[in-house]
Amino acid sequence: AQSVAQPEDQVNVAEGNPLTVKCTYSVSGNPYLFWYVQYPNRGLQFLLKYITGDNLVKGSYGFEAEFNKSQTSFHLKKPSALVSDSALYFCAVRDGIEFYNQGGKLIFGQGTELSVKP
Amino acid sequence: NAGVTQTPKFQVLKTGQSMTLQCAQDMNHNSMYWYRQDPGMGLRLIYYSASEGTTDKGEVPNGYNVSRLNKREFSLRLESAAPSQTSVYFCASSAKTSGGYTDTQYFGPGTRLTVL
Repeated sequence: AQSVAQPEDQVNVAEGNPLTVKCTYSVSGNPYLFWYVQYPNRGLQFLLKYITGDNLVKGSYGFEAEFNKSQTSFHLKKPSALVSDSALYFCAVRDGIEFYNQGGKLIFGQGTELSVKP
Repeated sequence: NAGVTQTPKFQVLKTGQSMTLQCAQDMNHNSMYWYRQDPGMGLRLIYYSASEGTTDKGEVPNGYNVSRLNKREFSLRLESAAPSQTSVYFCASSAKTSGGYTDTQYFGPGTRLTVL
């Protein structure tokens, strides 16, 4: 069965410091991996995705994520955190074995609250 | 281009009442989804529609029904609301890639539902 784990409920970082939000996954085939961000009282916004190719994926707002197949991880990173990055971050996975017209269902982690202090 | 829109934004129901949450997308996407978000549980898929004319159950379908009215619209109905259905509901949609598989999902702003 597919699953996603975000081991930290909360991550606290000082502004200007690098940040990492962790994600590990389990799928039966090749994973399709996504990161979304949710600001208070808003919907989810797409940040980046890994489908195939380069293990380092760059996304919106200066975020990037590294796909590590051996560790089944897809950690979200940013070299220098901003106070405005404070939000709830979700990792999601879809099994690459998708039959045509199946709809591409995502499995979400429980979310990590990122707090960036000035 | 409004993307994915949802109505209403907020709703309070009494136990046993019914209501329909509306979702529409203007991106010509094939697939549409309904999720619920509860604290500490992430998003859980209620129902989805891989394409116009088809609907399938997700992880937590009990107590809900859906209708894919046309390619743009996908509604979620609560026939007899229960306090356990108090949640934030999100609709999402996604396109098909040239290879026929499902691309990134894009989300609406959500509906906050309270059932008393």
